[in-house]
Amino acid sequence: DADVTQTPRNRITKTGKRIMLECSQTKGHDRMYWYRQDPGLGLRLIYYSFDVKDINKGEISDGYSVSRQAQAKFSLSLESAIPNQTALYFCATSDPGTNTGELFFGEGSRLTVL
Amino acid sequence: AQSVAQPEDQVNVAEGNPLTVKCTYSVSGNPYLFWYVQYPNRGLQFLLKYITGDNLVKGSYGFEAEFNKSQTSFHLKKPSALVSDSALYFCAVRVPNAGNMLTFGGGTRLMVKP
Repeated sequence: DADVTQTPRNRITKTGKRIMLECSQTKGHDRMYWYRQDPGLGLRLIYYSFDVKDINKGEISDGYSVSRQAQAKFSLSLESAIPNQTALYFCATSDPGTNTGELFFGEGSRLTVL
Repeated sequence: AQSVAQPEDQVNVAEGNPLTVKCTYSVSGNPYLFWYVQYPNRGLQFLLKYITGDNLVKGSYGFEAEFNKSQTSFHLKKPSALVSDSALYFCAVRVPNAGNMLTFGGGTRLMVKP
C-alpha cells in the first residue's frame, strides 16, 4: 500500500461545484502539503500544515481551503470550482526530524473543471 | 525569495549516451537542493539531494548531480541513459530556516530514444 494516498485519482466536475480532495498518510509525518502541478509551471504550493492545529497559506491559496482532520489526514476543498483550477493536485508529507525538507508525494488527483 | 530555473523544457538523448538535465537556482543563504522524477500517472519520487559536503551527489537509478556554488547550478547527470529514464524531472531548492518550503522548477521532460 502507498504511504501517501490520495482520493479520488480522477474527477471531472462542473463550474460552481464544491469538490474535496482527500489525502491520508501512514508515514507518521507531522507535516503535510498540497501542491498543484500545471505544465511548464512545476509544482506550486497551495496550503501546508505543520501539525493538526497549524494551517498556513502557500503561494496560490485563493479559491482553496483545507482541513487537517488528524495527523494522518489533510483534505483540500474547492468551494466553487472554476475551469482554471483544472490541474493535477499532489499531497505530500515531510518529517521535520530529518531537517532536510525532503517531500514524499502521493500519486496525484487529476481534476477537470468544465 | 528563492527560485529555481530549468532552462530546457525537453531534453532528447539516445540510449547509451550521457545525459544532463540543467538546473540553476537563486537563494539568499546556503541551499538544500533536490531532484525528483515523475513517471507517467505517478507522483514525484525523490532521486537525490545536496545538503552539504561533497559537491558530487549520487542518487537512485545511477543518477548523480553536481553542486556548483559559483555558477549556482545543480545539474543532473547520468553516464549512460536508458529508455526507462524517460520521465519528467524536477529540480527543487530549500533554504534552511526559511519555513521548510521547497520551491520547484518548471520541470524538464527527458526523452531517451532507443
